[in-house]
Order: sequence, then C-alpha cells, then structure tokens
Amino acid sequence: DGGITQSPKYLFRKEGQNVTLSCEQNLNHDAMYWYRQDPGQGLRLIYYSQIVNDFQKGDIAEGYSVSREKKESFPLTVTSAQKNPTAFYLCASSKIPTGNTGELFFGEGSRLTVL
Amino acid sequence: GQQLNQSPQSMFIQEGEDVSMNCTSSSIFNTWLWYKQDPGEGPVLLIALYKAGELTSNGRLTAQFGITRKDSFLNISASIPSDVGIYFCAGAVFNAGKSTFGDGTTLTVKP
Repeated sequence: DGGITQSPKYLFRKEGQNVTLSCEQNLNHDAMYWYRQDPGQGLRLIYYSQIVNDFQKGDIAEGYSVSREKKESFPLTVTSAQKNPTAFYLCASSKIPTGNTGELFFGEGSRLTVL
Repeated sequence: GQQLNQSPQSMFIQEGEDVSMNCTSSSIFNTWLWYKQDPGEGPVLLIALYKAGELTSNGRLTAQFGITRKDSFLNISASIPSDVGIYFCAGAVFNAGKSTFGDGTTLTVKP
C-alpha cells in the first residue's frame, strides 16, 4: 500500500546529541514537508522541499537540518542547537507543492523526548 | 507570515449534537482544507475546498469556502464518539509551496 512511513515512532535523546528522524514515501509525490506539533500550538512548518536536491526553510527552521537526495526520502536532523526539541514531529507529502492543490498526506509521526 | 484564527479552541458535546467550528484570516487563500487528527497519529484530510462560496459535504461533515476567501467553516452533524480528535483548518495560496495551519479545535464527545 502507498503511504508515508516515519521512524522511529518514539525516540529519547540526551541533551547535546543530534538525532535524525526518517521519512519515506512511496506515493511518487514531488513535495515533502516537516512539521512540529506542540500541545495547543497546532502545526508549525520546519522545512519543505518541492523537488529533489532543493529545500526551503519554514517558519521554525533554526536548530534543524534536512536533505532531499532522493524523491522518496526527506530525513530531518534535530541538532543540539535546537533549544527545546521535545515535540511530536510530522512528515507530510503532496503530489505537487501545496498552493496548487494544498492536499497533504501525513505520516504517523515521531515523538522525540529530550532527557 | 499568514496566520489563521481557528475557533473554538476546544469543545465538549454530547453524542448526537451538531458541531460547528471556523477559521478566519486577514489574508486571502485559494484553497481551504480541513484535517482531523486522532490521538498519537498524523492528520488526515477530511474536505478540500477550491472555489469561493463552495459548499462541500463528506458524510456527516459539511464545509464551506467563504465568499471573501478569508474564512471557512466545518460542521459535523449528529456527532458520535469516534469524532473525538483535533480538527485543523489549513489555507494555501497558489505557488506558495506550503500551507498555513490553524491551531486546531479539540473535540470531546460524551456518550
């Protein structure tokens, strides 16, 4: 079945460590996105990519990095520079960049806890 | 950047009641979308609206794209326990490459 797979679902990290969250899609979608969700704050865009080897900063990119070497994959690295990394992270994709259809398909999320 | 004001923030209703929530913006959007998120899961698209004034239904859900392009509402009729979750509105502008999300409405349905 087609879909978006995020891993790991739960992750614990010590302060000062970098951690990479995986996002893979087999929907043949061009655009991919990373959102952060905190309680009561909705979804905030971290980074997005409309084509391979290109990506743009979202509203809260500081302390995060991404790569888009393959169409299917858009990993997110939470670096030690991110001051408050504990959150629920959601990856999404769309057939073409939202703004034309706007329809996002989300993964099941990764919950990161910094100890 | 663009912001969406979604209200109410939370709702507590009895099973069988109707629900209404809305989103407003100071900016114009070309597309309005409504998503539902179950606890611990990713959001799922419920309804997408593409034309000002458009009224679209999906089962017990009805959503409208405001005529000014700056607002949208979602109604749920005859609520059931599985309607529990967080409902998000989102707006998109052509060629912007990204959507803007509201802060969500948390719905609790009492049996």
